[in-house]
Amino acid sequence: EAQVTQNPRYLITVTGKKLTVTCSQNMNHEYMSWYRQDPGLGLRQIYYSMNVEVTDKGDVPEGYKVSRKEKRNFPLILESPSPNQTSLYFCASSSPTPSGANVLTFGAGSRLTVL
Amino acid sequence: SQQGEEDPQALSIQEGENATMNCSYKTSINNLQWYRQNSGRGLVHLILIRSNEREKHSGRLRVTLDTSKKSSSLLITASRAADTASYFCATDALNAGKSTFGDGTTLTVKP
Repeated sequence: EAQVTQNPRYLITVTGKKLTVTCSQNMNHEYMSWYRQDPGLGLRQIYYSMNVEVTDKGDVPEGYKVSRKEKRNFPLILESPSPNQTSLYFCASSSPTPSGANVLTFGAGSRLTVL
Repeated sequence: SQQGEEDPQALSIQEGENATMNCSYKTSINNLQWYRQNSGRGLVHLILIRSNEREKHSGRLRVTLDTSKKSSSLLITASRAADTASYFCATDALNAGKSTFGDGTTLTVKP
């Protein structure tokens, strides 16, 4: 089954304790991205990657790191989490259509709470 | 800031009625898409409309795009309780790796 898999799905952690949210896709998609979703703020893009070793900042990159060493994986790293990073996180992947469309396949989400 | 803004923020209708949601955006786009999200779950792609298209249909969905007004609308006809969800528009700029989402419209369809 074509899918984007995120882990963990739920995590409660404390301020300053480094954590990684993994994301893997099995569709051979070139593009991958991370979003966070907060009440009243919709989805905001954190980082995106258009190919292996190519990453770029989205709208809210502060406090996050990413890497794209393999095509299928795109982990999100919080080096020193803070309470304002409590959120619902989504990983998504896509391959551009000939018209340049970016139809995203989303993971199920990772709900992170930072105390 | 967010590229897209949906209107209304929340919509409540009876089963069988039509639901219309609107999306406005700020900059030139390549494509516009609509996604659906069931509570707390990942978004699912519904329909895409290209910048040179004005209207598109898919089952009970009808999407329009007015690039002169930088707006789009999603119409769900003959709504069902199962259509209860949040709906988001997303715009693709020329840099196709970056999709920008609006704040969403929460639709409640009462049986």
